Amino acid sequence: EAQVTQNPRYLITVTGKKLTVTCSQNMNHEYMSWYRQDPGLGLRQIYYSMNVEVTDKGDVPEGYKVSRKEKRNFPLILESPSPNQTSLYFCASSLESRLTYEQYFGPGTRLTVT
Amino acid sequence: AQSVTQPDIHITVSEGASLELRCNYSYGATPYLFWYVQSPGQGLQLLLKYFSGDTLVQGIKGFEAEFKRSQSSFNLRKPSVHWSDAAEYFCAVGGSISNFGNEKLTFGTGTRLTIIP
Repeated sequence: EAQVTQNPRYLITVTGKKLTVTCSQNMNHEYMSWYRQDPGLGLRQIYYSMNVEVTDKGDVPEGYKVSRKEKRNFPLILESPSPNQTSLYFCASSLESRLTYEQYFGPGTRLTVT
Repeated sequence: AQSVTQPDIHITVSEGASLELRCNYSYGATPYLFWYVQSPGQGLQLLLKYFSGDTLVQGIKGFEAEFKRSQSSFNLRKPSVHWSDAAEYFCAVGGSISNFGNEKLTFGTGTRLTIIP
């Protein structure tokens, strides 16, 4: 089954404790992206990756890191989480970044930072 | 910069009634437009998309949307809603080219749909 998976689905952590949210897709998609969803703000892009070893900042990259060492994986790293990073996070992928652009979303990771 | 406005935060509709969710966009050229649905506790699922051609597009689950360039709108419609349609709906516009050619999606803030019996 074609899908985007994220782990963990729920995470409660404390300020400053480094964490990683994994994202994996099995569709051989080139483009991957991370979003955060906050009430009243919709989804905002954190980082994206056009292909392996190619990443760039989205609209709200502060406090986050990503890497794209393999085509299928795109982990989101919070080196020193803060309470303002409490949010619902979505990973998404699409076949390519141009023209026929259609994103498939993972189920989401609800993160709480205390 | 591209932007999307969904003016209705919350809409309540009776089961079996018709539905229209509003979406207005701002974009310098012909946009790519999308509607996504997010059911409670779920990720986003693509309902329909518009790239070019016929301005009335059909999607899954009986939804359709009409692109009106003159009004910068892409409203979502359904003739008769079902209780299972209760969800949050997001309109999105794409097509912004950064230095790396990122066809970034910009989302609206969403409209929550409640269905009453």
